Amino acid sequence: EAAVTQSPRSKVAVTGGKVTLSCHQTNNHDYMYWYRQDTGHGLRLIHYSYVADSTEKGDIPDGYKASRPSQENFSLILELASLSQTAVYFCASSDSAGRKGNTLYFGAGTRLSVL
Amino acid sequence: SQWGEENLQALSIQEGEDVTMNCSYKTYTTVVHWYRQDSGRGPALIILIRSNEREKRSGRLRATLDTSSQSSSLSITAAQCEDTAVYFCALNYNQGKLIFGQGTKLSIKP
Repeated sequence: EAAVTQSPRSKVAVTGGKVTLSCHQTNNHDYMYWYRQDTGHGLRLIHYSYVADSTEKGDIPDGYKASRPSQENFSLILELASLSQTAVYFCASSDSAGRKGNTLYFGAGTRLSVL
Repeated sequence: SQWGEENLQALSIQEGEDVTMNCSYKTYTTVVHWYRQDSGRGPALIILIRSNEREKRSGRLRATLDTSSQSSSLSITAAQCEDTAVYFCALNYNQGKLIFGQGTKLSIKP
């Protein structure tokens, strides 16, 4: 079974503080993604990576940095957290070369509240 | 935006009824994913349909894809309480990225 683990599961941060969200996958997938979900809405892509030591901007990268130190690990960094970044963040992995058409396997999410 | 009609909506039906959720999009794609998200969890793929398939079935699920009208649908036959969830369509585009629609919140009443 595919496994994507996120930590922490929830976090309260102060405005202007630094926040790091971590993601670990044991799927041996090349692609990893960070999405955010706001209440009652779909998921929006923040950053993604298709190889270790390289990251790409998604659709809403402003205010976020990403780091992919290894194939298994992908972090999302908020250098200066703002109220507007309160959301649930999901990490996902995929094997884009597989038969399942770039199916994403998601973690359970991190609920971030910025106060 | 890659989306045409906004497909954020809430549907509530009785157990045993059939339901269809629709997804319209503007960007070119050859694959449409349908994901299900249970409360407090990440989305999970339930069915994937490619442009050469037009229709695909998996148990009580049926997905259709019409590339000429750029639309896809997901139908659930004889809905059960455990089908209560949010359902998203998602499109492959541009270097393996996946973009999600707004979702449909489906509630099944016993």
